[in-house]
Amino acid sequence: KNEVEQSPQNLTAQEGEFITINCSYSVGISALHWLQQHPGGGIVSLFMLSSGKKKHGRLIATINIQEKHSSLHITASHPRDSAVYICAVLKSGNTPLVFGKGTRLSVIA
Amino acid sequence: DAGITQSPRHKVTETGTPVTLRCHQTENHRYMYWYRQDPGHGLRLIHYSYGVKDTDKGEVSDGYSVSRSKTEDFLLTLESATSSQTSVYFCAISGQGATGELFFGEGSRLTVL
Repeated sequence: KNEVEQSPQNLTAQEGEFITINCSYSVGISALHWLQQHPGGGIVSLFMLSSGKKKHGRLIATINIQEKHSSLHITASHPRDSAVYICAVLKSGNTPLVFGKGTRLSVIA
Repeated sequence: DAGITQSPRHKVTETGTPVTLRCHQTENHRYMYWYRQDPGHGLRLIHYSYGVKDTDKGEVSDGYSVSRSKTEDFLLTLESATSSQTSVYFCAISGQGATGELFFGEGSRLTVL
């Protein structure tokens, strides 16, 4: 079983919809990253979380350490949000990141 | 944008030939990583470095070696490329170990025929 599981694997939404992507992990962590990768493009760090909630524009990331779960929310989704969103965790002990397999989001106008 | 560049960006080579990918940073970050990305597998760590001449293996290190003789450069070498090493390779850097923000290069697409 993977240490980091994302759901859903694929998601199609209409423009304007509220979107939630989930990440569950099975190990103790000291931080969690959300990354974004556009088709054919590079990878960009959106958030790094160790507790609570962070917001940047229309993106909100939350983490519940006790439940070993994080969510990435996109409000008022737009076609330019279409990308693969990747969750990655830093296990306790500062070992390198472990990545989920990503969620492919398509937002249709 | 963080100063991190990969070269070459695209390469086609034949089985059995050596290949070296270069990651260059201008941020003076201590930590550098090489990942490969394949459909169905996501990002997987090949090797990483936590300082000059300090490197360690990741989960898919077989068939790969690395070197870091300067802070700014991290080289990934395939001594004898195989078709299973056809992939997109990403370099990443971080200033505070993995507790710091990550910056990724644009990727190097390698095809081994």
